[in-house]
Amino acid sequence: DAMVIQNPRYQVTQFGKPVTLSCSQTLNHNVMYWYQQKSSQAPKLLFHYYDKDFNNEADTPDNFQSRRPNTSFCFLDIRSPGLGDAAMYLCATSRVKGSSYEQYFGPGTRLTVT
Amino acid sequence: AQKVTQAQTEISVVEKEDVTLDCVYETRDTTYYLFWYKQPPSGELVFLIRRNSFDEQNEISGRYSWNFQKSTSSFNFTITASQVVDSAVYFCALSDSSNTGKLIFGQGTTLQVKP
Repeated sequence: DAMVIQNPRYQVTQFGKPVTLSCSQTLNHNVMYWYQQKSSQAPKLLFHYYDKDFNNEADTPDNFQSRRPNTSFCFLDIRSPGLGDAAMYLCATSRVKGSSYEQYFGPGTRLTVT
Repeated sequence: AQKVTQAQTEISVVEKEDVTLDCVYETRDTTYYLFWYKQPPSGELVFLIRRNSFDEQNEISGRYSWNFQKSTSSFNFTITASQVVDSAVYFCALSDSSNTGKLIFGQGTTLQVKP
């Protein structure tokens, strides 16, 4: 089945220790999104890629970076995680960039910072 | 400014009851899209429906139905004969004006269906 896959599902990292979360998709979608969702809150968009074109949200901290080496994979790098970065990180894809297209989400990676 | 309000934080019903989840939105755009997503305990958001601003026809899909009313800026979601598997957080979302696919989410409504 075509899908969005996130690994790992649970990640524990230490304060200040860089961590990378990964997302892959078999949908061959052009757009990939990264969201941060804190407990009992709505998902918050961090950035997205349209093909190789990177689009950062204005309020995304510099601590968060992303890479998309090819259509199928996208990575979220947190350079120096703080306690406030503990959250669920959701990857999503969309066939085409635009408001009318639904997004398909992965199961998320729950990040714990100790 | 664009905004989505889901006034109901938590709803609890007994199985087989009907339940309506409210969604009110604000936008100055004339063309926009509204979405509903379901987030079960497993975590992933599951797409349920997309509706564009020019189509006010109500939609029914099995036990799910949606009532879109531009006059009141509402896009409500009704589950008929609720089941325990419907227990989840439900998010209403509005397309951002930038046409990048960015979604403006409501705060979500947690639905608990008890057996």
